[in-house]
Amino acid sequence: GAGVSQSPSNKVTEKGKDVELRCDPISGHTALYWYRQSLGQGLEFLIYFQGNSAPDKSGLPSDRFSAERTGGSVSTLTIQRTQQEDSAVYLCASSLDGIINNSPLHFGNGTRLTVT
Amino acid sequence: KQEVTQIPAALSVPEGENLVLNCSFTDSAIYNLQWFRQDPGKGLTSLLLIQSSQREQTSGRLNASLDKSSGRSTLYIAASQPGDSATYLCATPNQAGTALIFGKGTTLSVSS
Repeated sequence: GAGVSQSPSNKVTEKGKDVELRCDPISGHTALYWYRQSLGQGLEFLIYFQGNSAPDKSGLPSDRFSAERTGGSVSTLTIQRTQQEDSAVYLCASSLDGIINNSPLHFGNGTRLTVT
Repeated sequence: KQEVTQIPAALSVPEGENLVLNCSFTDSAIYNLQWFRQDPGKGLTSLLLIQSSQREQTSGRLNASLDKSSGRSTLYIAASQPGDSATYLCATPNQAGTALIFGKGTTLSVSS
């Protein structure tokens, strides 16, 4: 019954530090997505995982960003050498099946990252 | 490349009014279209999903329609309430089916 869980809910870090953001999807959901939402901006797609297929990393903005999904469940988004422009809310979502199979996305409440 | 646009960016109405939110997309070859609601400081909540073969979906006071030929979807909210105040976003999958492309949303304020 639990929804998508993200931790931490807030993270303040100094410029240049590395950060890890965690996402626990809904149990049994095969697809997992990471998005970024900046103030005044829309939702920016970052990366997509579907089962055992190779992830779609086309949305990652630079090689400082990486993500993995272990055992088809929990996912971690890592940002290395953080910059002030990385400050945003990072949202994770999961779906039972792929979106082209008409599975609605379920979002977590996000991690608000502030880089000082 | 698919683009999604929502107009207006903001809307204020008195309680009880019926209202329509608009969403347009540039590529009519869509798999589906989803409407979400986002409350301040929260994630997105899925409201309705309209499949490509469908014309509309209803949930309570919400009705979403889809016209692929004109590249438009509308979300109709009947008898609006202050609790409906939120940002409403529409989204449709990219061609690869790996991501939803979102509009920037319409922020709705319903006053009592």
